[in-house]
Amino acid sequence: GDSVTQMEGPVTLSEEAFLTINCTYTATGYPSLFWYVQYPGEGLQLLLKATKADDKGSNKGFEATYRKETTSFHLEKGSVQVSDSAVYFCALSESGGSYIPTFGRGTSLIVHP
Amino acid sequence: EPEVTQTPSHQVTQMGQEVILRCVPISNHLYFYWYRQILGQKVEFLVSFYNNEISEKSEIFDDQFSVERPDGSNFTLKIRSTKLEDSAMYFCASSVGLAGPYEQYFGPGTRLTVT
Repeated sequence: GDSVTQMEGPVTLSEEAFLTINCTYTATGYPSLFWYVQYPGEGLQLLLKATKADDKGSNKGFEATYRKETTSFHLEKGSVQVSDSAVYFCALSESGGSYIPTFGRGTSLIVHP
Repeated sequence: EPEVTQTPSHQVTQMGQEVILRCVPISNHLYFYWYRQILGQKVEFLVSFYNNEISEKSEIFDDQFSVERPDGSNFTLKIRSTKLEDSAMYFCASSVGLAGPYEQYFGPGTRLTVT
């Protein structure tokens, strides 16, 4: 079945550092890929998505590129801020069947001033 | 901005007791969902609900679980006889259309602790 694997956290960075959170997936078809973010005390929010190979999703300075050849969708940001501290979830959704997203475990990001 | 709300934020219950977790989805949304996340594990889909009936459910969603939309605003998850392994964060979500093509909006979660 479908699955999503994320790097273990927490990831601890200083402000303005470069961020990469790795995500790889296994899917039978042609999934759409998502990153969700959960800030403390809030629900998961869609951060960005990509619906086909080589698409790049971007939002709030975050980017992720849909790499079919490596089945990856790594999240990157060039310069993190303290306000980016949150839990980040990678997810996929298959078209042509159930659209219910399959999530990873989440990666906690802690950014220090 | 409209948001999904969940109550309570934390529920502690004894094994064997019934619990009801409550959610208020966004008012014009038509699809409703429950997910759970056991500590340190993946967010897992439990059930989706549309037009007053279950549209999809996972293997986790056995006879101990039920969902209901008792009025025009609330969406509830009931666990009839809680087990220790039901301890988890439970997330409610809603979407205006089918999840995937349409964005799901999540609540902040209810942390259920079964002792």
